[in-house]
Amino acid sequence: AQSVTQLGSHVSVSEGALVLLRCNYSSSVPPYLFWYVQYPNQGLQLLLKYTSAATLVKGINGFEAEFKKSETSFHLTKPSAHMSDAAEYFCAVTAPGGSYIPTFGRGTSLIVHP
Amino acid sequence: GAVVSQHPSWVICKSGTSVKIECRSLDFQATTMFWYRQFPKQSLMLMATSNEGSKATYEQGVEKDKFLINHASLTLSTLTVTSAHPEDSSFYICSASRDRAGTQYFGPGTRLLVL
Repeated sequence: AQSVTQLGSHVSVSEGALVLLRCNYSSSVPPYLFWYVQYPNQGLQLLLKYTSAATLVKGINGFEAEFKKSETSFHLTKPSAHMSDAAEYFCAVTAPGGSYIPTFGRGTSLIVHP
Repeated sequence: GAVVSQHPSWVICKSGTSVKIECRSLDFQATTMFWYRQFPKQSLMLMATSNEGSKATYEQGVEKDKFLINHASLTLSTLTVTSAHPEDSSFYICSASRDRAGTQYFGPGTRLLVL
């Protein structure tokens, strides 16, 4: 079984500030991990994914995430927030060798203040 | 690459009618397609998973006679909401996967409003 916990349903930052969105996972096998972004009234877009290569993964729009096995975490970061980053962010996990059906976190709404 | 389209983007219908939503992978063949439902300010709720040429696998609590899924080809899946009722109003999102990691490529979603 696998699960994902996203701490904080809302994260508020000022434009130019560091963005940190937290994701912790639970998986019985080494997981594949994903971050997706959803803008209002749109589908989800893949930001980045970890599939057992480098633990620091760089994605689109300046985002990156680091897989930390010891902490079972895959937090998403961006050094400097932009107004256009305001959106809903979802962390997801799949288990290699399983059905590859992802389990999604509940989402974190990123609010960016000018 | 990995573009998924969904049609229509929004639909308004009367209670009791059926609505068909199409999901297409435009530039790749999808081994698996997924249908989700999303309520306002909430996460995705997986409704069913489908593979080309086989019956869809529905999640617990999802009525398969209510939400008919057909996966006719490696690039097309359809979701038909039969005899729609106001409680079926929601945002429906499809996705397609083509790799063994389960990376999801999402369509833009269909907003259904049943009057």
